[in-house]
Amino acid sequence: RKEVEQDPGPFNVPEGATVAFNCTYSNSASQSFFWYRQDCRKEPKLLMSVYSSGNEDGRFTAQLNRASQYISLLIRDSKLSDSATYLCVVNIGDNYGQNFVFGPGTRLSVLP
Amino acid sequence: DVKVTQSSRYLVKRTGEKVFLECVQDMDHENMFWYRQDPGLGLRLIYFSYDVKMKEKGDIPEGYSVSREKKERFSLILESASTNQTSMYLCASSLLNSYNEQFFGPGTRLTVL
Repeated sequence: RKEVEQDPGPFNVPEGATVAFNCTYSNSASQSFFWYRQDCRKEPKLLMSVYSSGNEDGRFTAQLNRASQYISLLIRDSKLSDSATYLCVVNIGDNYGQNFVFGPGTRLSVLP
Repeated sequence: DVKVTQSSRYLVKRTGEKVFLECVQDMDHENMFWYRQDPGLGLRLIYFSYDVKMKEKGDIPEGYSVSREKKERFSLILESASTNQTSMYLCASSLLNSYNEQFFGPGTRLTVL
């Protein structure tokens, strides 16, 4: 079983739609959680960190469920510019606390 | 503006050649990382360094070595390139704490013929 798994996608949604991505992780000792965004042929960039209490940044909401080892990302009112691959990232805390494990990514295409 | 730069965007090498990939960050970050990214496999950690001259193996260190002689610079070395090392190589840096985000360079697409 992979350490971090994501919805395989791709997700093709119309502008204005709400879309949710799911991510599960296998290591219960995982310490920190992130969503990164990667545009085609570009490097990943941090979208948001994910906190136990859940957090929101504009149209984006991230949730963490430690008991179920599950992370989600909700995008409301999708824009064309949201088209990208979304990477779920988990720091499993070993190796001097710097073991970031990346999910394979979920590709989103927002259509006009 | 934070910046991580990589020496080349595209590189073509022949099997058996020694390859150097350079990464420089200007943020005074303690941690630096080398990943490779392949379709369907995501990003996989090759090596990371938490201080000058310190290095730790990641998930796939075989066939690679690294060097960190200065805090801002982290080099990835392919001692004898092979075709299965054709990939996108991404360098990243972060502050010491594991709760800090990683900043990535633009990547080097390496093709080994």
